[in-house]
Amino acid sequence: GIQVEQSPPDLILQEGANSTLRCNFSDSVNNLQWFHQNPWGQLINLFYIPSGTKQNGRLSATTVATERYSLLYISSSQTTDSGVYFCAVERVVDTDKLIFGTGTRLQVFP
Amino acid sequence: GAGVSQTPSNKVTEKGKYVELRCDPISGHTALYWYRQSLGQGPEFLIYFQGTGAADDSGLPNDRFFAVRPEGSVSTLKIQRTERGDSAVYLCASSWNWNTEAFFGQGTRLTVV
Repeated sequence: GIQVEQSPPDLILQEGANSTLRCNFSDSVNNLQWFHQNPWGQLINLFYIPSGTKQNGRLSATTVATERYSLLYISSSQTTDSGVYFCAVERVVDTDKLIFGTGTRLQVFP
Repeated sequence: GAGVSQTPSNKVTEKGKYVELRCDPISGHTALYWYRQSLGQGPEFLIYFQGTGAADDSGLPNDRFFAVRPEGSVSTLKIQRTERGDSAVYLCASSWNWNTEAFFGQGTRLTVV
């Protein structure tokens, strides 16, 4: 099956710092989503980004499908950004399920 | 509704008992998914519905697990003869159609004692 690996696994930041999270996948995909799982367990949609670049406030994401990776940028981090960030992909040949990555646990301290 | 709703939020049951977990998807979404998330792990796929039919149930761990969606809207995940290893957060998601953005509910935390 497809491998979806995220790096770094853990990230500790001071408030105001910037960061880049990476998602590598081992097969062709036609859907990629980034989620933030808050401390209460809710998965919050950040981006639906099969390809290209999108921005939403302090967050932006870029997916280069041909090179099988996606990046999530967080600028001017805040304590409320803490939680686990997941990327999830749908394979071209298996388009009925999202396969989640290993996650990046982010802690932002004041 | 405005989002995907799951009930109950928490369920504690004794080993060997039967449980049902309910999912109300976003109105108009034809695709519905169940996932299971164990502590420290990412969500793992269980089953996918397109309309009323289970289009892919390849993620169900064994025949104790079953899910239905009789009218193409609300879905129920049923677990028979629960085991302690079934303890996890069960997540439901829906999307307008396959290969479109999926939205998740808040999950049901199942604890088997």
